[in-house]
Amino acid sequence: DSGVTQTPKHLITATGQRVTLRCSPRSGDLSVYWYQQSLDQGLQFLIQYYNGEERAKGNILERFSAQQFPDLHSELNLSSLELGDSALYFCASSVGWVTYNEQFFGPGTRLTVL
Amino acid sequence: AQKITQTQPGMFVQEKEAVTLDCTYDTSDPSYGLFWYKQPSSGEMIFLIYQGSYDQQNATEGRYSLNFQKARKSANLVISASQLGDSAMYFCAMREFNTGNQFYFGTGTSLTVIP
Repeated sequence: DSGVTQTPKHLITATGQRVTLRCSPRSGDLSVYWYQQSLDQGLQFLIQYYNGEERAKGNILERFSAQQFPDLHSELNLSSLELGDSALYFCASSVGWVTYNEQFFGPGTRLTVL
Repeated sequence: AQKITQTQPGMFVQEKEAVTLDCTYDTSDPSYGLFWYKQPSSGEMIFLIYQGSYDQQNATEGRYSLNFQKARKSANLVISASQLGDSAMYFCAMREFNTGNQFYFGTGTSLTVIP
């Protein structure tokens, strides 16, 4: 158990809908990262937050948004969902914002868009 | 051009033998980090090892070591004394620190350890 929690574990929804994925980092970790893993695109970095502020942005679509709250949990919002958004979404956390700190991954949220 | 290239889609190794998983990268940023991750069939992602571009020595973590050849832009993962539990997908990744801090991942290498 990495100490990073993600909810829900599985999510099935329809095209055009909006969903929210939640991540709680390990106790003491200030950075949260979001990644998407799909068969088509492979592993992609989406975004990183550190202590509530956005620190790095990857291939995150405009239909997606994220935030990190004062209690350090993070949410990834996916809207106007398309079939191609079906993927495993990982969250990871680390102590610092520069990633020579070890990253700890959550179990992922499997999103299926029908 | 691909930022990270993993040319071995699948590899086999005998238990207790060492294995090298290849990774080459492409960047003009002088400040970058290289990472390896393991993903077993159960799906979780596990961070294995990190090497910074300015690090003088190759990174090691237990049975994992990173063979960093800067001039060749390669960052191969060496697993010594392979165990059955090492069977998994392995991903190489890079982060460019001066150009947006984005991560780039390779397509992965599937390693199977044979008893």
